[in-house]
Amino acid sequence: NAGVTQTPKFQVLKTGQSMTLQCAQDMNHEYMSWYRQDPGMGLRLIHYSVGAGITDQGEVPNGYNVSRSTTEDFPLRLLSAAPSQTSVYFCASSYSGGQGYTFGSGTRLTVV
Amino acid sequence: GNSVTQMEGPVTLSEEAFLTINCTYTATGYPSLFWYVQYPGEGLQLLLKATKADDKGSNKGFEATYRKETTSFHLEKGSVQVSDSAVYFCAALGVGGGSQGNLIFGKGTKLSVKP
Repeated sequence: NAGVTQTPKFQVLKTGQSMTLQCAQDMNHEYMSWYRQDPGMGLRLIHYSVGAGITDQGEVPNGYNVSRSTTEDFPLRLLSAAPSQTSVYFCASSYSGGQGYTFGSGTRLTVV
Repeated sequence: GNSVTQMEGPVTLSEEAFLTINCTYTATGYPSLFWYVQYPGEGLQLLLKATKADDKGSNKGFEATYRKETTSFHLEKGSVQVSDSAVYFCAALGVGGGSQGNLIFGKGTKLSVKP
């Protein structure tokens, strides 16, 4: 099993550009989430999904969109990148939440 | 709402010292609790968990006990090694509302262990 795979690992964007961060898992997990990690802030939930076709907003959803067309994939779209979105982004998945989440290795995004 | 508070770092210890990282939570009900570890440049790895009061999670010499009375889940290790240097995150599984089924994290504690 590959676990949770995130691509790309690094990305530099110009302000106003759009892009999609990819996340895929091969564990047949229903729950998937996106977090951003900023210094001194811990991890904050952006969007999450409890199954294909179902998504919802987390703590910091503004400027991001998600969709969940399959169980395996949960892409995160930045609509118009801003310097405030410079961060490390983590995707995570879980069978039910209660057993904990498996995290990807992260995408380091810089917006200039 | 649900929240997790953990002691701020950084924490610097000598090898073989005793480690405690404090963690308390605020939640409706009794959420599952977790400790995650993040090594430099990597993602988060589940270190240990406890799903109900008085449960003790343990792994790699680390332990934490779910204390309902004090709403705490402190991480301990009797003898740290240089290889334990990392950032440690306490987390609670959200109960109710918009956090249902998702992890709520503390801000992390950076541990540095010197030889």
